[in-house]
Amino acid sequence: GNSVTQMEGPVTLSEEAFLTINCTYTATGYPSLFWYVQYPGEGLQLLLKATKADDKGSNKGFEATYRKETTSFHLEKGSVQVSDSAVYFCALSDRSGYSTLTFGKGTMLLVSP
Amino acid sequence: ETGVTQSPTHLIKTRGQQVTLRCSSQSGHNTVSWYQQALGQGPQFIFQYYREEENGRGNFPPRFSGLQFPNYSSELNVNALELDDSALYLCASSLEGSGSYNEQFFGPGTRLTVL
Repeated sequence: GNSVTQMEGPVTLSEEAFLTINCTYTATGYPSLFWYVQYPGEGLQLLLKATKADDKGSNKGFEATYRKETTSFHLEKGSVQVSDSAVYFCALSDRSGYSTLTFGKGTMLLVSP
Repeated sequence: ETGVTQSPTHLIKTRGQQVTLRCSSQSGHNTVSWYQQALGQGPQFIFQYYREEENGRGNFPPRFSGLQFPNYSSELNVNALELDDSALYLCASSLEGSGSYNEQFFGPGTRLTVL
């Protein structure tokens, strides 16, 4: 079956530091890949996505590249802000005929001033 | 355009009881998916409803059931509640039918506590 593995948190950084959150996946075929963010007390928001190999998704300074050869979709940001503190979820959809998501366990990011 | 809404926000039940959670989909969307998010975990797919019919189901027992109404709103029903059912229940709506992945828009969730 499908699965997503993320690095465990929390990840603690100072403002303006470089961020990497690792994500690898197992899936049949060629899934679409996503990063979602969950701020405290809120639902999930789509941060970025990539639908085929070598695609780069980007949004709000965050980037992730779909690497088929390493089955990875690592999230990066060059300079984090305190407002980026949240839980980040890597997810995939295997296009099995209807859109459902398989999520990783999430990685909490804490950014201090 | 109204986003996805869920009710109630919080709910406390005791073991063995039954619960109904509600979701209003985003305007123009025809599909609702439900996810269970246990504390410290990622969301797990429960089931999806497309045009009032169940369109897929995750690894959840039959005591988890649902409905979708003609206006595409949805209910999640859980019978014989167990302590492990305590979780955040997320509803997501999307516009399906094109054969490719369609973005799911999530509601804020309902926090269920089973005592």
